Amino acid sequence: EIQLVQSGAEVKKPGESLRIQCKASGYSFTSSWISWVRQMPGKGLEWMGRIDPSDSYTNYSPSFRPHVTISADESLTTAYLQWTSLMASDAAIYYCGRHLNRGSGVADWGQGTLVRVSS
Amino acid sequence: QSALTQPASVSGSLGQSITIPCTGTGNDVGYYHFVCWYQHHRGKAPKLIIYDVSLRPSGVSDRFSASKSGKTASLTISGLQPEDEADYYCSSFTTSNGYVFGTGTEVTVL
Repeated sequence: EIQLVQSGAEVKKPGESLRIQCKASGYSFTSSWISWVRQMPGKGLEWMGRIDPSDSYTNYSPSFRPHVTISADESLTTAYLQWTSLMASDAAIYYCGRHLNRGSGVADWGQGTLVRVSS
Repeated sequence: QSALTQPASVSGSLGQSITIPCTGTGNDVGYYHFVCWYQHHRGKAPKLIIYDVSLRPSGVSDRFSASKSGKTASLTISGLQPEDEADYYCSSFTTSNGYVFGTGTEVTVL
């Protein structure tokens, strides 16, 4: 069974750094792209960026680069989404997802990670 | 990259059919055959219901169908059921080698 398990909810202050993770299992980690998607409170889904774990190639939405960094560790079959300096506007639910095929949609999703940012 | 355009809300009676349009550009919907649709119940992870314009993943009801013409993709839900109440998002691969979501459509079953 394919599973993507994300790290738990976070409460941070503006200016702090954060890394959330997405642990994949049940498939060959390097065979599928992983994307990160944001949902701000009361808003729609926004694609942030993706990584190809086979070569760590990343591609970001212009709306999020260079504020976030996406990475992956093949040995841990884990993808990461990282901020060096959080802003209040980063408060959201973040989902990771595994693409069905290169170019295709996200077939498997993590459960989401709630990030709260407040002073 | 601007979001694909969807109506904010669509409603239909139980058992009826509704269609949700999704309009993009020549750099996304109009260029690639990689358009997909997601169903999203708030508080849960999104669910892929259509990929590659018109294909249904295993386990997805055949009441969901989709197509594309030019820069506009469309999702049709036939025989509306109460459990179809959710937000629906289209998404497309883009010529920037990334993805873009639609603005989202809230479906209400009357």
